[in-house]
Amino acid sequence: KQEVTQIPAALSVPEGENLVLNCSFTDSAIYNLQWFRQDPGKGLTSLLLIQSSQREQTSGRLNASLDKSSGRSTLYIAASQPGDSATYLCSLGGTSYGKLTFGQGTILTVHP
Amino acid sequence: ETGVTQSPTHLIKTRGQQVTLRCSSQSGHNTVSWYQQALGQGPQFIFQYYREEENGRGNFPPRFSGLQFPNYSSELNVNALELDDSALYLCASSLQTGVAKNIQYFGAGTRLSVL
Repeated sequence: KQEVTQIPAALSVPEGENLVLNCSFTDSAIYNLQWFRQDPGKGLTSLLLIQSSQREQTSGRLNASLDKSSGRSTLYIAASQPGDSATYLCSLGGTSYGKLTFGQGTILTVHP
Repeated sequence: ETGVTQSPTHLIKTRGQQVTLRCSSQSGHNTVSWYQQALGQGPQFIFQYYREEENGRGNFPPRFSGLQFPNYSSELNVNALELDDSALYLCASSLQTGVAKNIQYFGAGTRLSVL
């Protein structure tokens, strides 16, 4: 059974800082890894998707890496802004029919 | 905007009642998955429907059931509601082919409160 852990559970940083969110998983037999953003009481917005054969993806100030051998992924956010404040969720696609397994999320607060 | 719409946005029920949540998938998507997200937790997979058939199920009791219609829209039904069923229910649609099968597009969710 896939277990997904996200560290830290919460993070508060001043605007402008670079930061790293961590995701670890127990089963390396995955199809892909996806990072989502969730604003309070809202649905999920996909940020980055890394296929199993890839090592990293970049979009603007975001960079996500995947190391299947160690069961780890990181989400790097450069030059953080107050608008980045949200919960960030890591998910693994690990079955033939597309079930996603999520971590508990990291609550990020960026203060001015 | 993902093109996935859910209704209603909020719902209040009492323990023991039944509830139906609805989801319209993104145009062209033939697969719908449902997730339950309790407060402060990550989403948990309930089940998935592909071409009107249940295609996979998580660790949820039979009182959680679903339907998918020929236009690929879907319903989630929960019978005999319990207080612990209070959560945000998320619907996600996808295309069940090749590497696209794990790329799921989420709706904004239905917030269910059971009193």
